[in-house]
Amino acid sequence: NAGVTQTPKFQVLKTGQSMTLQCAQDMNHEYMSWYRQDPGMGLRLIHYSVGAGITDQGEVPNGYNVSRSTTEDFPLRLLSAAPSQTSVYFCASSYSTGDSSYNSPLHFGNGTRLTVT
Amino acid sequence: ILNVEQSPQSLHVQEGDSTNFTCSFPSSNFYALHWYRWETAKSPEALFVMTLNGDEKKKGRISATLNTKEGYSYLYIKGSQPEDSATYLCACDNYGQNFVFGPGTRLSVLP
Repeated sequence: NAGVTQTPKFQVLKTGQSMTLQCAQDMNHEYMSWYRQDPGMGLRLIHYSVGAGITDQGEVPNGYNVSRSTTEDFPLRLLSAAPSQTSVYFCASSYSTGDSSYNSPLHFGNGTRLTVT
Repeated sequence: ILNVEQSPQSLHVQEGDSTNFTCSFPSSNFYALHWYRWETAKSPEALFVMTLNGDEKKKGRISATLNTKEGYSYLYIKGSQPEDSATYLCACDNYGQNFVFGPGTRLSVLP
């Protein structure tokens, strides 16, 4: 089973460039989310989705857009990269039915290490 | 945004020692508490999902307890081994929508 697949694994951008981090899962999970991980700060939620066509903001959404056109895919777009967006990004998904996503564990992708110069 | 705290930030133990660490979270509107194990250069993996006050879960030498009334959870490792070295994360959901992670406890087990 592929689980949660993130691409690319590494990326270097220049300030002002845009790009999309890809996330796909093959577990038919309704809930998908994006986190960034910075030293000393743990994982912070950027955006999440409880199903196709539904997205919402997390703790640190500024500078990022998401869409959820299919159950499988949840891409994260950086509109105009800034050095403050240098981080490791994790996509995670979980099984949920309606409001019960909280009692299913999150399955994480392998992460994307992004550097913005 | 709710505040999830973990202590200690890091600790070093000798192989064979037992250890424990704490996750603290707001007790109001509690839905679930998750524990994850995160090894260097890998992605976090779920250890436990806990939802009920008084829950106790066990997986091998690792166990966890939950007190939702006072807002804390303990993770215990019995007889630590070098392969237990990792960062242990807790994540709390207080609104049934999304999880807020604590900063983690970094455990190093010395052979």
